[in-house]
Amino acid sequence: NAGVTQTPKFQVLKTGQSMTLQCAQDMNHEYMSWYRQDPGMGLRLIHYSVGAGITDQGEVPNGYNVSRSTTEDFPLRLLSAAPSQTSVYFCASRSSGGQYNEQFFGPGTRLTVL
Amino acid sequence: AQSVTQLDSQVPVFEEAPVELRCNYSSSVSVYLFWYVQYPNQGLQLLLKYLSGSTLVKGINGFEAEFNKSQTSFHLRKPSVHISDTAEYFCAVSEAGGSYIPTFGRGTSLIVHP
Repeated sequence: NAGVTQTPKFQVLKTGQSMTLQCAQDMNHEYMSWYRQDPGMGLRLIHYSVGAGITDQGEVPNGYNVSRSTTEDFPLRLLSAAPSQTSVYFCASRSSGGQYNEQFFGPGTRLTVL
Repeated sequence: AQSVTQLDSQVPVFEEAPVELRCNYSSSVSVYLFWYVQYPNQGLQLLLKYLSGSTLVKGINGFEAEFNKSQTSFHLRKPSVHISDTAEYFCAVSEAGGSYIPTFGRGTSLIVHP
């Protein structure tokens, strides 16, 4: 199993540009989520999904869109990038069945918005 | 609603010394507790978790944590650290029957000096 994969690893954008961060998992996990990690702020939840076709907002959803058309994929879209979105982005997944199941994280995407 | 507080943002320690990283949580129901480790430029991986039963939980790389219900704590310990333990450590909590997504603390940076 590849686990949770994220592409790209690094990205530089100009203010106002749009892009999609890709996330895929091959563990047949129902739950997937996106976090951003900033110095001193820990991990903040952006959006999450509990299954194909079902998404919900987390703590910091503004400026980001998600969709979940398949169990495997959970892309994160930045519609109009802003410097405040410079961060490291992590995708995670876990199986359903109980809150005792741990999350599996991808390697992250380091995004810089100029 | 659940919450997690990691009391130290940074813990410097010399190699072969013992270390304790503190984590306190707040919840009105039964909880599941996790410690994750993030090595430089990598994603998070599970270090250990407490589900039920014995309050002392052993994890990978010689780490252990003790669940204390009366003090609502889940401190992480290692009797002798190595340079390779330098990393960011995150405590997380899930409530039984609660949110699909766990709540993470802000992280503690463990810095091991030679």
